[in-house]
Amino acid sequence: DTAVSQTPKYLVTQMGNDKSIKCEQNLGHDTMYWYKQDSKKFLKIMFSYNNKELIINETVPNRFSPKSPDKAHLNLHINSLELGDSAVYFCASSQSRIGQYFGPGTRLTVT
Amino acid sequence: EDQVTQSPEALRLQEGESSSLNCSYTVSGLRGLFWYRQDPGKGPEFLFTLYSAGEEKEKERLKATLTKKESFLHITAPKPEDSATYLCAVQSGTYKYIFGTGTRLKVLA
Repeated sequence: DTAVSQTPKYLVTQMGNDKSIKCEQNLGHDTMYWYKQDSKKFLKIMFSYNNKELIINETVPNRFSPKSPDKAHLNLHINSLELGDSAVYFCASSQSRIGQYFGPGTRLTVT
Repeated sequence: EDQVTQSPEALRLQEGESSSLNCSYTVSGLRGLFWYRQDPGKGPEFLFTLYSAGEEKEKERLKATLTKKESFLHITAPKPEDSATYLCAVQSGTYKYIFGTGTRLKVLA
């Protein structure tokens, strides 16, 4: 039974397009996150949501808009995609000070 | 500024050759230090949480320790299946985590 799932796993699109990534967790955690992992494998936090409320927005371009319809879901919509947006995007969830549980990632390639 | 530095960047070990990975951190008010394992093409997998200096956690061949400035992940008698990238992260604030750049471990049979 998958704890944190993401769709799609791969996303190839052209510059200027708009795309969405979906995330769901069945762990009952209150907090969900979006991370970007670049080509050097560095994981950088983008957003944190707690109980559907945006808590952290780490100077991410406003072309990126997260939405949390409920505690178990966190989606990421990206407008006007650019070449530099190519990366692997990970969703994660956590509860209190316990470690985070990550999804399998979405590899976004912008051509 | 909060920062996490991991060393070495890459490590090659023979099967059975024990070693340690280092995670140095500077953070204002450490709420927790976390170790993860990441296999190629997969998301990071949570291994350990350490909360205070002197604390130790063990799981199979892995043992994590914590001081006020750094953490070590000791790997005892590693096997090829331990090959992965090991990531360290600190919790800075209630909802913010800062990751290091990882150590790529390769264990040769």
